[in-house]
Amino acid sequence: EPEVTQTPSHQVTQMGQEVILRCVPISNHLYFYWYRQILGQKVEFLVSFYNNEISEKSEIFDDQFSVERPDGSNFTLKIRSTKLEDSAMYFCASSEGSAHEQYFGPGTRLTVT
Amino acid sequence: QKEVEQDPGPLSVPEGAIVSLNCTYSNSAFQYFMWYRQYSRKGPELLMYTYSSGNKEDGRFTAQVDKSSKYISLFIRDSQPSDSATYLCAMSLGGSQGNLIFGKGTKLSVKP
Repeated sequence: EPEVTQTPSHQVTQMGQEVILRCVPISNHLYFYWYRQILGQKVEFLVSFYNNEISEKSEIFDDQFSVERPDGSNFTLKIRSTKLEDSAMYFCASSEGSAHEQYFGPGTRLTVT
Repeated sequence: QKEVEQDPGPLSVPEGAIVSLNCTYSNSAFQYFMWYRQYSRKGPELLMYTYSSGNKEDGRFTAQVDKSSKYISLFIRDSQPSDSATYLCAMSLGGSQGNLIFGKGTKLSVKP
């Protein structure tokens, strides 16, 4: 069964460093998303991406965040200068066309020290 | 008022029990209502979705939406220890609005 994959599973970085989180969405899916979940909190929407551009973003997704689809399979989230409060699980999701059928990856745990 | 409210539990039931999980919401514009299951330190897994009001059944799982009360439910029949997980409700406006708004999740434990 096709699934969304994410790498790395755990990333530790120092405050102020740049990190890139990687995702491989399900191959025939056209819509891609990033969410985050701070420990003990709700899953929160960050950004959606379609046709090589951002279609929606939340207030959380400020100038330190960017997304890219560098090739036909990968979808990345870059955090330019990490802060302690960026520590969270980051989930990538994809959907074929229906936003209500989003399939999530296993997540990357980001720890900022 | 928070957009989506969900009792975090924990909820503990014996094997075979019927489980009822619920969410309330404030935005009457929500059109799609989803239930996800999340095992510890894993990503959310889509269980089922419902469009607008009504019921939907899939095996042991039944989802109900009452838009007039802004209340959704997930029922699990004949619960199994493997159902032990956190259950997240999520909602979306539909159309071009693809972002999901999640509840905080209810942690369920089914005891053998």
